[in-house]
Amino acid sequence: DAGVTQSPTHLIKTRGQQVTLRCSPISGHKSVSWYQQVLGQGPQFIFQYYEKEERGRGNFPDRFSARQFPNYSSELNVNALLLGDSALYLCASSRSPSSYEQYFGPGTRLTVT
Amino acid sequence: TQLLEQSPQFLSIQEGENLTVYCNSSSVFSSLQWYRQEPGEGPVLLVTVVTGGEVKKLKRLTFQFGDARKDSSLHITAAQPGDTGLYLCAGDDTGNQFYFGTGTSLTVIP
Repeated sequence: DAGVTQSPTHLIKTRGQQVTLRCSPISGHKSVSWYQQVLGQGPQFIFQYYEKEERGRGNFPDRFSARQFPNYSSELNVNALLLGDSALYLCASSRSPSSYEQYFGPGTRLTVT
Repeated sequence: TQLLEQSPQFLSIQEGENLTVYCNSSSVFSSLQWYRQEPGEGPVLLVTVVTGGEVKKLKRLTFQFGDARKDSSLHITAAQPGDTGLYLCAGDDTGNQFYFGTGTSLTVIP
């Protein structure tokens, strides 16, 4: 079975621009979570979605938003990009929000200049 | 806010040595996961522990969950260069959110 896939792999944007990152979960997984990982740190939780509804939100500004589609894929949107948004954005899927185990995609490396 | 502290932050050892990585918190978690991450890639799940005092073994890796479910340790026996990577612990607080530790960067020198 295919694992979690993310696109694009790399992205370079300018301050003030907007970006959309995409994630397809493992087949049969209905929950998707997004994380931001700054170089040298552990991932920070941004959002969790299940059945198209937001089930959890981390401590990120309103410039960050996400949605989940009927096929359980998800998009993460970031508006008004700042230099500090440069990071590896990770998507993780699990069968449900109560599942102990989540599986990560390879991530999207976002660079803001 | 980082709820999980890992130690040491960096570790460089010779092939064949043993090592232990610690993950500590003041919070109770319903489960705790250990991941290994290589540069430019996403974390790969190694193990999940859910019961206080639980010990799990995965070949040369031994994972333990503290009795109070606030801490965990990862012990690697006879480390190999292929064990090199960033080791992350993550706790589930049943609030639909996983908290990751600060990470331990391990380098095993051949």
